[in-house]
Amino acid sequence: AQSVAQPEDQVNVAEGNPLTVKCTYSVSGNPYLFWYVQYPNRGLQFLLKYITGDNLVKGSYGFEAEFNKSQTSFHLKKPSALVSDSALYFCAVRDVDSTDKLIFGTGTRLQVFP
Amino acid sequence: EAGVAQSPRYKIIEKRQSVAFWCNPISGHATLYWYQQILGQGPKLLIQFQNNGVVDDSQLPKDRFSAERLKGVDSTLKIQPAKLEDSAVYLCASSLDHWSSYGYTFGSGTRLTVV
Repeated sequence: AQSVAQPEDQVNVAEGNPLTVKCTYSVSGNPYLFWYVQYPNRGLQFLLKYITGDNLVKGSYGFEAEFNKSQTSFHLKKPSALVSDSALYFCAVRDVDSTDKLIFGTGTRLQVFP
Repeated sequence: EAGVAQSPRYKIIEKRQSVAFWCNPISGHATLYWYQQILGQGPKLLIQFQNNGVVDDSQLPKDRFSAERLKGVDSTLKIQPAKLEDSAVYLCASSLDHWSSYGYTFGSGTRLTVV
């Protein structure tokens, strides 16, 4: 079965510092991985995806993610955090064994302090 | 392009009452999903439609939840009767097709509170 894990409930970072939000995955076959962000009282917004190709994927709002096959990880990163990046972040994997639905992690709350 | 529309935005009902949510996906999107997001948890798929057919409803509590997608466009999700543990945000999403590499587009959700 496909799954993702987000080991941190919350990540705190000072504005201007680099940030990392962690995600590990467990899949059979090639992984299709996604990051979404959720602002208060809003739906989930797509940030970026990894299907194949370069291990460093660039997405919206200056975010990028690094796919690491040996560590089965897909960590979300940003070189310089903004207060406006404070939100809930979800890692997801496509369930290619079944109906291609997205299976989400439990989420990580990112808090960026001024 | 217009996004995924959901209504209502908020709903408060008493337990054992019924409630319905509505979703209008992006035009041309064949696949429609309903997810349940309980506070502090990640979204969990309730039901997936491909056009107007059900692809996956394995996690839908069928004794109280029902959903339909008439004519392969709009969809409604109903809960009858509601329980306290149904308090959650109900998210609708759509994609071009179930295998689309572009991911999903989500609506803003309906926040349900059962008291």
